[in-house]
Amino acid sequence: AQSVAQPEDQVNVAEGNPLTVKCTYSVSGNPYLFWYVQYPNRGLQFLLKYITGDNLVKGSYGFEAEFNKSQTSFHLKKPSALVSDSALYFCAVRASSGGSYIPTFGRGTSLIVHP
Amino acid sequence: KAGVTQTPRYLIKTRGQQVTLSCSPISGHRSVSWYQQTPGQGLQFLFEYFSETQRNKGNFPGRFSGRQFSNSRSEMNVSTLELGDSALYLCASSSQGANTEAFFGQGTRLTVV
Repeated sequence: AQSVAQPEDQVNVAEGNPLTVKCTYSVSGNPYLFWYVQYPNRGLQFLLKYITGDNLVKGSYGFEAEFNKSQTSFHLKKPSALVSDSALYFCAVRASSGGSYIPTFGRGTSLIVHP
Repeated sequence: KAGVTQTPRYLIKTRGQQVTLSCSPISGHRSVSWYQQTPGQGLQFLFEYFSETQRNKGNFPGRFSGRQFSNSRSEMNVSTLELGDSALYLCASSSQGANTEAFFGQGTRLTVV
């Protein structure tokens, strides 16, 4: 069975500093990897995805993520954090399992950016 | 382009009742997925419909069911409600396959008392 781990429930960072939100995954085939962000009382918003090709993908709001096949990781990064980046971040994976592509989400990481 | 619309936004139901939630996807999107979000379990996949056919199904009991109409609008139904069904139910639409991103609605907050 496929799984996604976000090892940190919460990440704290000062505004202007770089941020990293970690994600590792376990699948049997080639993964499709996604990052989403959720603001309070809202649905999830798509940030970026890795399908194939260049391991470094760039997304919305200055976020980027690096696909590392050997470490089965897909960490989300941003060079300079903003207070408005404070939100709940979800990593998700889809991979073929018996012909099905069940989406699996991590438990989420709360990012808090301090002024 | 209008986003994903879920109705109602809030619901309070009694144990044993049933409930139907509605989702209107982004125009042109043929895939609709449903998720249950709770503080304890996180975001869990319920099922996905594509062109009126259930394409994928998560690990939920048969009390949870869904359907999709010819206009891609979708409904999910929960019968014999239990207290543990209290959650935020999210609907998401996407244009095609597993490698396309999902666009989420704001959710329906279901409280079972």
